[in-house]
Amino acid sequence: KNEVEQSPQNLTAQEGEFITINCSYSVGISALHWLQQHPGGGIVSLFMLSSGKKKHGRLIATINIQEKHSSLHITASHPRDSAVYICAVRSSREYGNKLVFGAGTILRVKS
Amino acid sequence: DTAVSQTPKYLVTQMGNDKSIKCEQNLGHDTMYWYKQDSKKFLKIMFSYNNKELIINETVPNRFSPKSPDKAHLNLHINSLELGDSAVYFCASSLGGARVGTQYFGPGTRLLVL
Repeated sequence: KNEVEQSPQNLTAQEGEFITINCSYSVGISALHWLQQHPGGGIVSLFMLSSGKKKHGRLIATINIQEKHSSLHITASHPRDSAVYICAVRSSREYGNKLVFGAGTILRVKS
Repeated sequence: DTAVSQTPKYLVTQMGNDKSIKCEQNLGHDTMYWYKQDSKKFLKIMFSYNNKELIINETVPNRFSPKSPDKAHLNLHINSLELGDSAVYFCASSLGGARVGTQYFGPGTRLLVL
């Protein structure tokens, strides 16, 4: 069992739909990261958060520390949002200072 | 200007060869990382350096040796390449220590061992 679980593994949406990707983890963490990997392979960091909620454009990330759960929301989805979205956690106590990654969620937005 | 750059982007080589991948960052970060992404797209940390000092050294074969000549560079040398080394290798950088922050990734080096 992976220490960081993402769901769903695959997601197909119609353009304009509201999308939610979930991430659950099993240890106390100091920070959680959401990353986006483009079809071309490049990786971009979207958010780093340790509490509450962050918003950037059409992307919103939330985290519930007590429930050990985070969600990434995409509003008004667009085909250019098609990518792999990866959740990663940092726990200095459990993992030293390294990031531990989820397996990723493959998102495809159809026009 | 590219923030984190890697060379080469593609590397095709024979089993048994020795190869190096170079990484440079111009963000003024003090911490750099090497990650391996396998065929299932799963990312895993290999090494991390903070101010040229090795701080994370995961269970990777001794054939992999990182070298950090200065804070802006982290190179990865691989000896006696094996088929299983085929993967995409990503370099990344961040601020470290108590200020561990967002990681910035290089474009990746696609290694294929034949």
